[in-house]
Amino acid sequence: GQQLNQSPQSMFIQEGEDVSMNCTSSSIFNTWLWYKQDPGEGPVLLIALYKAGELTSNGRLTAQFGITRKDSFLNISASIPSDVGIYFCAGPSSGATNKLIFGTGTLLAVQP
Amino acid sequence: NAGVTQTPKFQVLKTGQSMTLQCAQDMNHEYMSWYRQDPGMGLRLIHYSVGAGITDQGEVPNGYNVSRSTTEDFPLRLLSAAPSQTSVYFCASLRASRSGRASEQFFGPGTRLTVL
Repeated sequence: GQQLNQSPQSMFIQEGEDVSMNCTSSSIFNTWLWYKQDPGEGPVLLIALYKAGELTSNGRLTAQFGITRKDSFLNISASIPSDVGIYFCAGPSSGATNKLIFGTGTLLAVQP
Repeated sequence: NAGVTQTPKFQVLKTGQSMTLQCAQDMNHEYMSWYRQDPGMGLRLIHYSVGAGITDQGEVPNGYNVSRSTTEDFPLRLLSAAPSQTSVYFCASLRASRSGRASEQFFGPGTRLTVL
């Protein structure tokens, strides 16, 4: 079945550093979604990507839809303590636009 | 709007007990789903529903039942709890996409279940 692999699994950084994480798939996706989960909460959508090569920003966050359509990248610039959480990529299951599969997540810890 | 609500927030069960995790949404979304989240495994789909009266299995359906009698509610039932079902459970809803693009999925706050 379809799988989404995220790397790195975890990151421990200092406040102010930039962060990069990625998500790869064994199959082609036509949508990439990036979610953030704060500790003790449910995931919240950060950025949605719908076209290969698309680059979209949301404040200090920038995400890109890979040209091969099998990967996506999320960058966070000038990290702050509230960036702490788990970041998930997600995409629609093959043949089911409304059924999402999620990556394994990247845990981000930011030290003030 | 309250969005997606889940009850209870925490629950401890003994092996073999049954219980129902409640989920409700007030956004009139057609699509609802249940996920479980385990360390290092991300979110795995248990069951989902594309509308009232319609449910289907996800990736990890064994040991769980669902029903969708109304648009608003989508309860998850554990008939005989097992320690392997210790997890954090999230309910989510989204408005069905008619454009071919995946829509934003809204998540509830989660239910933390421990089975002893």
